[in-house]
Parts: sequence; structure tokens; C-alpha cells
Amino acid sequence: SQQGEEDPQALSIQEGENATMNCSYKTSINNLQWYRQNSGRGLVHLILIRSNEREKHSGRLRVTLDTSKKSSSLLITASRAADTASYFCATDAASGSRLTFGEGTQLTVNP
Amino acid sequence: DSGVTQTPKHLITATGQRVTLRCSPRSGDLSVYWYQQSLDQGLQFLIQYYNGEERAKGNILERFSAQQFPDLHSELNLSSLELGDSALYFCASSPGQGFGTDTQYFGPGTRLTVL
Repeated sequence: SQQGEEDPQALSIQEGENATMNCSYKTSINNLQWYRQNSGRGLVHLILIRSNEREKHSGRLRVTLDTSKKSSSLLITASRAADTASYFCATDAASGSRLTFGEGTQLTVNP
Repeated sequence: DSGVTQTPKHLITATGQRVTLRCSPRSGDLSVYWYQQSLDQGLQFLIQYYNGEERAKGNILERFSAQQFPDLHSELNLSSLELGDSALYFCASSPGQGFGTDTQYFGPGTRLTVL
């Protein structure tokens, strides 16, 4: 099974609201990354957080990492209709294996 | 634009046929990854090559094979195609071996339809 699991599977909000997506993983990691995928397009890297970091910001994105709970969250503030996409977390296990993607959260932002 | 190119964009073929998907990585990237994405199975990792050598293998069927050439472009060969092979096939590339802070850059994908 996938290392990372996103929650919820789908999220629908109104423009201007904040969107929070969660990712849980099973084994210790070196880094965790978040990617975005617009429908039918390739994934695009958003942000990377290292295992020794607790929080990271990039524009309207805020990522937190709690290694004790083996979980991460992605917060998109002041959402826009253009944020509608699937969001995937990807983990790099501490054992040095390749990046593993979760199942994704489908975010819909209604105008 | 990620810098990763994939051809063709769309492919329609019949069951039992064989197709080849092509990927050119970003300039300077040594790793190439192949993924299959279908509606009911999400993003499935197939295989990774690093500098011409197979680096990691995922849920790749025996009917599928891949290789990375000396110029670092890669091809994914799908044979004895079945209806269930219809999916989006993505290629991604990264500078390193795929772990640590290595970020993957995805191509636009090839949409394969098997009739």
C-alpha cells in the first residue's frame, strides 16, 4: 500500500475559505513533499518540508509536519477557483527508498 | 512547463497491440520515472531509471517494459494491451536518485485508450 494517505478524499469549499488537507504515513521519513495536479495534467511540485522542520510557508500555502504522529497538513488560505485540483503528498522514507505518492485529495473551490 | 516532454499526447489502439511511449527528461536530470494513473487506481509507480540503469521497480506488469537510453530519454513499451491498460501514463524526471530532497518534474502525460 502507499506510504502516504491523504484525508479527506474529497473536499468542496467556497472561494475565500481555507482548505486543509492531511497526509498520514507509516514509516520514518527524511522529507515530505506536496504536489498538485490539475485534471488530466502532470503533477506539479508545491513544497518540500524536511523531517527536522515543523512548519513551512510558500505564498498562500502552509505545510506542517508532526513526525511523532507521522502526519502532515497542507493549508491553502483564501482559496480561489483556480486552486481546484488534486493534491498529493509524497514521502521519502528514511531508509533511502524512492519517493512514494499518496492517493490524493480532490479539492473543489466553488466560485 | 516542467521541461519534461512526452510523446504522443494521445494514443488509441486495439486490444492485443503493442505501443511505445517516449519521454525526454529535463536537461541535466538523471532519473526518469514512469507512472500509470487510472480513475480507479490513482497514481501507480511503475519503474525508475537512473543514468541508464534500472533503479526501482513498482507495480509494473510483465507485459510492460522500459529502458533509458544513453542520451537519458526513456521509452515505455506496453504489449498485449488489454482494456484495463487504458490510462494516463506520466513520465517524471529528477536530478538525483529519487530520495532526499530530490523533486520530481512531471511531463504532460500520454493518454492511452485501448478499444
